[in-house]
Amino acid sequence: EAGVAQSPRYKIIEKRQSVAFWCNPISGHATLYWYQQILGQGPKLLIQFQNNGVVDDSQLPKDRFSAERLKGVDSTLKIQPAKLEDSAVYLCASSLGLAGGGETQYFGPGTRLLVL
Amino acid sequence: GQQVMQIPQYQHVQEGEDFTTYCNSSTTLSNIQWYKQRPGGHPVFLIQLVKSGEVKKQKRLTFQFGEAKKNSSLHITATQTTDVGTYFCAGNSGNTGKLIFGQGTTLQVKP
Repeated sequence: EAGVAQSPRYKIIEKRQSVAFWCNPISGHATLYWYQQILGQGPKLLIQFQNNGVVDDSQLPKDRFSAERLKGVDSTLKIQPAKLEDSAVYLCASSLGLAGGGETQYFGPGTRLLVL
Repeated sequence: GQQVMQIPQYQHVQEGEDFTTYCNSSTTLSNIQWYKQRPGGHPVFLIQLVKSGEVKKQKRLTFQFGEAKKNSSLHITATQTTDVGTYFCAGNSGNTGKLIFGQGTTLQVKP
């Protein structure tokens, strides 16, 4: 079974530039998560989708971050404009989305973003 | 908001020694999950605990969920170099699947 796919794996940009990340979850997984993991910290949830609807985006900096999952399958996360403090690994995860909570989340390899 | 704290942040042990990491939540959890992240890798699910006082074992790893469902621990017996990595606990307190991750405990094992 294929895992969660993410691209690109690495990205270096200058501050104030834009960047987009792509994620393809495990086939059949209804729930998709985007996390930000700053070096030395645990993953922090940015946004959670159930199919193509947003379940939680309370920690998404909406003035610069946006995400969509238009067809309920793959998803993109965009940062515009990027700041130095956005340097982090952006992890995408997916889960079946059947239970009311507490499902195993499967993580992709992540995109390492460096903002100069 | 809900917080999940882990201690210690780092632990260096000699191969063969035991290791324990502790996790505490500011709120009562419906369940707690543990993940392992190897250096340069991504988090990989280890286990989920749901019941108050639950204890689960996976070979040399023992996981416990506190009676009040606010704390948890992971104990590794006789560490091996393959145990190197960062161990995260992640608490779930609602019914949306949202996990709040601790900051992790990074384990180094000297051969």
